[in-house]
Amino acid sequence: KAGVTQTPRYLIKTRGQQVTLSCSPISGHRSVSWYQQTPGQGLQFLFEYFSETQRNKGNFPGRFSGRQFSNSRSEMNVSTLELGDSALYLCATSRGIDNSPLHFGNGTRLTVT
Amino acid sequence: KQEVTQIPAALSVPEGENLVLNCSFTDSAIYNLQWFRQDPGKGLTSLLLIQSSQREQTSGRLNASLDKSSGRSTLYIAASQPGDSATYLCAVNTNAGKSTFGDGTTLTVKP
Repeated sequence: KAGVTQTPRYLIKTRGQQVTLSCSPISGHRSVSWYQQTPGQGLQFLFEYFSETQRNKGNFPGRFSGRQFSNSRSEMNVSTLELGDSALYLCATSRGIDNSPLHFGNGTRLTVT
Repeated sequence: KQEVTQIPAALSVPEGENLVLNCSFTDSAIYNLQWFRQDPGKGLTSLLLIQSSQREQTSGRLNASLDKSSGRSTLYIAASQPGDSATYLCAVNTNAGKSTFGDGTTLTVKP
């Protein structure tokens, strides 16, 4: 059974640019969550999609957005990149029901210069 | 708002020692609690999931307990090995699809 796949693995962007990250869930998983991990802030919840609808949202500015497709794959977009957006972005998927465990991908390391 | 705290932030032990990692949370209305390990630059690997109705879960040398009333969970690692060196995080799920993470405990097991 294939795991959670995140692409690309690494990204280097310039301040002001925009970026799109992708997450393919485990087969049968309908929920996709996104997290930002930085040394100073730890793991911060961005948002969660379930059946193509945003179901939960964290406290990030509107520059961070996402979507989910009918095959449950999800993309996250960050516009007008800032230096502080440099982080490891992790995607977690689950069946989406209350008690289902999270499964993480290996993340996308974004560096903004 | 759910807050999750992990103590200690870092721990160094000699190989073979048994150890306990702690996780505390402020809102006891949880669905489940999950323990993960993270190796440097990698994603999180799920270790154990405890449902809100359970008291503990075991997998090999790992045992996790949950006390909802006191807002605490512990992860017990028996006979630690250098390969156990990693950061251990706990995540509390209070809403389907949203988990709150602690900052983790970085464990170093010395040969």
